Formats: sequence, structure tokens, C-alpha cells
Amino acid sequence: GAVVSQHPSWVICKSGTSVKIECRSLDFQATTMFWYRQFPKQSLMLMATSNEGSKATYEQGVEKDKFLINHASLTLSTLTVTSAHPEDSSFYICSARNRAESPLHFGNGTRLTVT
Amino acid sequence: AQSVTQLDSQVPVFEEAPVELRCNYSSSVSVYLFWYVQYPNQGLQLLLKYLSGSTLVESINGFEAEFNKSQTSFHLRKPSVHISDTAEYFCAVSDFTGGATNKLIFGTGTLLAVQP
Repeated sequence: GAVVSQHPSWVICKSGTSVKIECRSLDFQATTMFWYRQFPKQSLMLMATSNEGSKATYEQGVEKDKFLINHASLTLSTLTVTSAHPEDSSFYICSARNRAESPLHFGNGTRLTVT
Repeated sequence: AQSVTQLDSQVPVFEEAPVELRCNYSSSVSVYLFWYVQYPNQGLQLLLKYLSGSTLVESINGFEAEFNKSQTSFHLRKPSVHISDTAEYFCAVSDFTGGATNKLIFGTGTLLAVQP
């Protein structure tokens, strides 16, 4: 149980375009999901906390207008990278927990390459 | 606020040798502690967790970690590693004051490189 699915697993886009990444909880409802970003050979940096039915909470230094988060249902959160630039190329990972005391369950990540 | 320190960025070890991956944390409140493993180009998989109770926790594939409150550590150990254990290992911490919205803070990771 507690499976998190992320799509797509990889995407290549041209500079200036927007890319949407989906994160779904397959067998549980998640009022909160988390979006992380990972640079090569580095740790995961929390970008934002996605809250169902309300605005996301962004970490300091993360541009909310560039990384749009929508959590429209209890099983789906989306991250849209708007007007992507090469420096946005990274590995994006979403996660969620099914209970307050449970560990986070992670999606398999999305490798974004902006050319 | 919490923080996690993994002092070793890479740990090379020969197959069937024991290994210890170090993790220290800092927090002003009680915490949950986790070890996650990441294989190349994949998400993270939970290896083991400490929530409460026994300070020694074990995973199904032979890893164990011990919570030491006085030393604020949660080191990961395995008595005999396999080639397939080669991966990046992340230590993580969260408090339990916010329920489902608790953030998970990660260390910088340790690459376990098992050599034949």
C-alpha cells in the first residue's frame, strides 16, 4: 500500500516552454504532498508543501510564480515549471504520507532537461 | 528547525565487509528519524524508521540503525554488504508536531560503493 505515482518519468523541453508534472497517490488520500528538487549528486531540497484545496506553501528562495503547484483533489498534485530555462533542469520528486505518523512515500521522480 | 548531517559523502567498501553510514541530527524537539535509499534515476525507498520504542530498528534486508539520543545520532549499519547494496543513502528527520504536514529534512546523502 501507500503508492505514489509520478508522471512523466522524464521530459525534454525547449527553453521558454512550460512543463507539467503529475503526482498521484494511488491507494490513499493525501491532503498534503511535498515537492522536492534534487541536483546531480546532491540531496533533496524541499521546494513546497502542496495542500489540497488551498495554496501551496513554498520554501524560502523558491519562486512561486515559476513553480506553480495545484492540488485539486485528494489524490493529485501537479507541479508546473513555467517558462523553463536550462538552469531548471533537475530531478523533481513528489511525496506524500497516508497518515500523520507514517513515513513519506516517494514517487519515482521526473528528470527534466531544458534545452 | 531540524537539520541532518551526513559527514561521509562516499563510503567505499568490499563485498561481505561490514559498513556504517553516519548520521547526526539537530533538533530542539523530539523527532522521527528515517533512512531512505535511492538507486540511480529513481525515487526514494524507505529503508527503516525510528518513531518511538526500541532504539534499535531493523530493515528486511539486513540493515539496522540505532537511535542515540545523547549523541543525537542515527547511524546505519550492515554486518555484510552485497554488490546490490550500492546506492545513495539519505538520513532524514522530521518532528511530529504538525501531523501529516510535517516536513522531512534530508541529509546530503552518502554513496555506498560496494566493490567485489
